Amino acid sequence: DSGVTQTPKHLITATGQRVTLRCSPRSGDLSVYWYQQSLDQGLQFLIQYYNGEERAKGNILERFSAQQFPDLHSELNLSSLELGDSALYFCASSSESSQETQYFGPGTRLLVL
Amino acid sequence: GQSLEQPSEVTAVEGAIVQINCTYQTSGFYGLSWYQQHDGGAPTFLSYNALDGLEETGRFSSFLSRSDSYGYLLLQELQMKDSASYFCAVRGYSGAGSYQLTFGKGTKLSVIP
Repeated sequence: DSGVTQTPKHLITATGQRVTLRCSPRSGDLSVYWYQQSLDQGLQFLIQYYNGEERAKGNILERFSAQQFPDLHSELNLSSLELGDSALYFCASSSESSQETQYFGPGTRLLVL
Repeated sequence: GQSLEQPSEVTAVEGAIVQINCTYQTSGFYGLSWYQQHDGGAPTFLSYNALDGLEETGRFSSFLSRSDSYGYLLLQELQMKDSASYFCAVRGYSGAGSYQLTFGKGTKLSVIP
């Protein structure tokens, strides 16, 4: 158990819909990262938040957005969903002093029909 | 940009030694990480090399040559439970005091009796 929690575990929705994925980092970690993992693309970095502020952006679509709240939990919002958005979405957290070590949550499996 | 190359699949016998190679091209290299992911599970951190040389952690060792933009993960005394996907990831600077991990597509290791 990494100490990172993610909900829900599974999500099935239709094209055009909007969903919200939630993540709580390990106790004490201020950084939260979101990744998308699909069969053909591997693990793709989407976005990083540090103590409530956006810190780095990766391959995140404009239809996707995220935020980190004062209690440090984070939410990833996916809108206007397309079939190709079906993937595993992972959240990870790290401490400021050991950013190279990221602890991953169990992931949310999203299926868009 | 950053790109990483690692073999897509490797098969090895229980009790043997296997080496998984990773070559990378990147601007602003800070280190090479290795993560393990079992089917249906989350990536878990294995090791990190910021400097040239070998780092050993139990049955696993990781090597880095910055001049060759090359690293490898060495797994000794293979066990059936080592069957998993192994990802190398380059740690690069993404600005504002933040570092971003770019993952390779992963090597699926199958350990056979």
